[in-house]
Amino acid sequence: AQTVTQSQPEMSVQEAETVTLSCTYDTSENNYYLFWYKQPPSRQMILVIRQEAYKQQNATENRFSVNFQKAAKSFSLKISDSQLGDTAMYFCAFMKHRQGNLIFGKGTKLSVKP
Amino acid sequence: SAVISQKPSRDICQRGTSLTIQCQVDSQVTMMFWYRQQPGQSLTLIATANQGSEATYESGFVIDKFPISRPNLTFSTLTVSNMSPEDSSIYLCSVEGISDSSSYEQYFGPGTRLTVT
Repeated sequence: AQTVTQSQPEMSVQEAETVTLSCTYDTSENNYYLFWYKQPPSRQMILVIRQEAYKQQNATENRFSVNFQKAAKSFSLKISDSQLGDTAMYFCAFMKHRQGNLIFGKGTKLSVKP
Repeated sequence: SAVISQKPSRDICQRGTSLTIQCQVDSQVTMMFWYRQQPGQSLTLIATANQGSEATYESGFVIDKFPISRPNLTFSTLTVSNMSPEDSSIYLCSVEGISDSSSYEQYFGPGTRLTVT
């Protein structure tokens, strides 16, 4: 069975600084997808970034980028130029190829301080 | 982008009663999913709602407790039956295939916060 581990329950960062959230996963699959979702206090789940396992190039979306290390089964999220609106729970998620079942980590609560 | 709505946004219910949660998408989608997020926890998939066929349930979830309907490609309902305080959670629907039918990304509705007393 697949598992997703986020080892940092809480993190904080100063506004405009850079922060990296960790995620590791365990799978015997070769073809899968990885995601980072953001859940602010409004509880809306927002897709931040995605990565296909077959792509070696790390995904980037504006201030958000990932460091995908397939051999190490690591998928960290880097947030650059942190903004107050980045304050939220961040969930790492795994999905087998075309399976639809997202498996989530326990989340990291990120606080951006002014 | 597509809009996903859920009704109700929150409810307080008495134990032993049932609540039906609606999920509406403003475009046709292939796959719809229902997740549960217990207080302070992560999300767990309850079932996949298939249009034109019965829902597919994950281990630990049964149709009698969480009946699901998917009458068309834009709508689904989840019923939480015979509720107990342990059912107090946020229930979220998600959809796949919004941007195109081959897209595997899932987008979530705003959630329904259920409290059972």
